[in-house]
Amino acid sequence: AQSVTQLGSHVSVSEGALVLLRCNYSSSVPPYLFWYVQYPNQGLQLLLKYTTGATLVKGINGFEAEFKKSETSFHLTKPSAHMSDAAEYFCAVRNNNDMRFGAGTRLTVKP
Amino acid sequence: EAGVAQSPRYKIIEKRQSVAFWCNPISGHATLYWYQQILGQGPKLLIQFQNNGVVDDSQLPKDRFSAERLKGVDSTLKIQPAKLEDSAVYLCASSLSDGLQEQYFGPGTRLTVT
Repeated sequence: AQSVTQLGSHVSVSEGALVLLRCNYSSSVPPYLFWYVQYPNQGLQLLLKYTTGATLVKGINGFEAEFKKSETSFHLTKPSAHMSDAAEYFCAVRNNNDMRFGAGTRLTVKP
Repeated sequence: EAGVAQSPRYKIIEKRQSVAFWCNPISGHATLYWYQQILGQGPKLLIQFQNNGVVDDSQLPKDRFSAERLKGVDSTLKIQPAKLEDSAVYLCASSLSDGLQEQYFGPGTRLTVT
């Protein structure tokens, strides 16, 4: 069965600093990978996804992620954090109908 | 375009009571999902509908949970009887079709069982 591990349940960065949220997956077949963001009292919103092709994927709000098969990783990055980036971030892996989410990483941005 | 609608937004019940949640997906979306998100965890798929047929309900606790999607549009998720461990946010999502289509999530219903 596939699974997702997000390293670090809480990440705190200063405004303007690099954001790095880590995600490792396990899958018996080539994975489809996703990052979602969840703001307080809202549903999840898709940031970006990897299916096939280019391993560096760009998403909304300046985020990007790189699929590294050799490391089974799909880390999310943003060069410069904004206060508005404070939220919960979820990595997910999908195989056919089976979508598995990680436990989430709460990002705090300090002024 | 209107998003996925869910009601109620909050519900508090006592254990052993029953509760129902409603979801209205985005118009034209054939696939509908119900997820359970327990505090501190990621969402877990409970059931997936394609139109009004069930595609996957392998993680639905069928002794107490039930869901239906009559006419392939709105859906209801019911818990009867509720247990303390059912306290969670119940998220509904929809997508145009199955596969890799983007899932659009509703705001969720926060259930507290006391």
